[in-house]
Amino acid sequence: EADIYQTPRYLVIGTGKKITLECSQTMGHDKMYWYQQDPGMELHLIHYSYGVNSTEKGDLSSESTVSRIRTEHFPLTLESARPSHTSQYLCASRVSGELFFGEGSRLTVL
Amino acid sequence: GIQVEQSPPDLILQEGANSTLRCNFSDSVNNLQWFHQNPWGQLINLFYIPSGTKQNGRLSATTVATERYSLLYISSSQTTDSGVYFCAVDSGGYQKVTFGTGTKLQVIP
Repeated sequence: EADIYQTPRYLVIGTGKKITLECSQTMGHDKMYWYQQDPGMELHLIHYSYGVNSTEKGDLSSESTVSRIRTEHFPLTLESARPSHTSQYLCASRVSGELFFGEGSRLTVL
Repeated sequence: GIQVEQSPPDLILQEGANSTLRCNFSDSVNNLQWFHQNPWGQLINLFYIPSGTKQNGRLSATTVATERYSLLYISSSQTTDSGVYFCAVDSGGYQKVTFGTGTKLQVIP
């Protein structure tokens, strides 16, 4: 079982603000992922990383950026939030083919 | 890319009933998982099952990789089983994970 922590769980902010969603895992997994999901809908991969200093864009175009300076940390940043960014963001890590998720960050942009 | 379809899209069950959820995928896969998304949005791992059959309490899953499908069985359903069930597969050299469209289950008392 993996321990993955996401903060904040809930965030309401105004348009134009810069935000960073934090994701940390304690198991030393190399592979980490960010998914975006509207309530009850499919999950869409927006970013992934296979290790330190490795980041790639996923299938869904996103205005967010990510970094991977340490194995355990994979933050996602929006430089200027817009109402269209309102969604749930799910972070995951992977070992031996099995994916584990954090509790998610639910973002609302007014 | 690989296509993953789940059926049925919606399902309403009386408490105590049994059900079967299906996941079809369009290409060979290296890994397959089933998840339950609870009403709070958290994804809970149910099974990691690239092939074969596994059981965990009232839940069991079977993957027939050669025929490109997986089944999730829920027996004696409970209201706490409500939520959305997703299957997720990966294929390709860089192990990108693709999620299915989900089955929304509602178990009523």
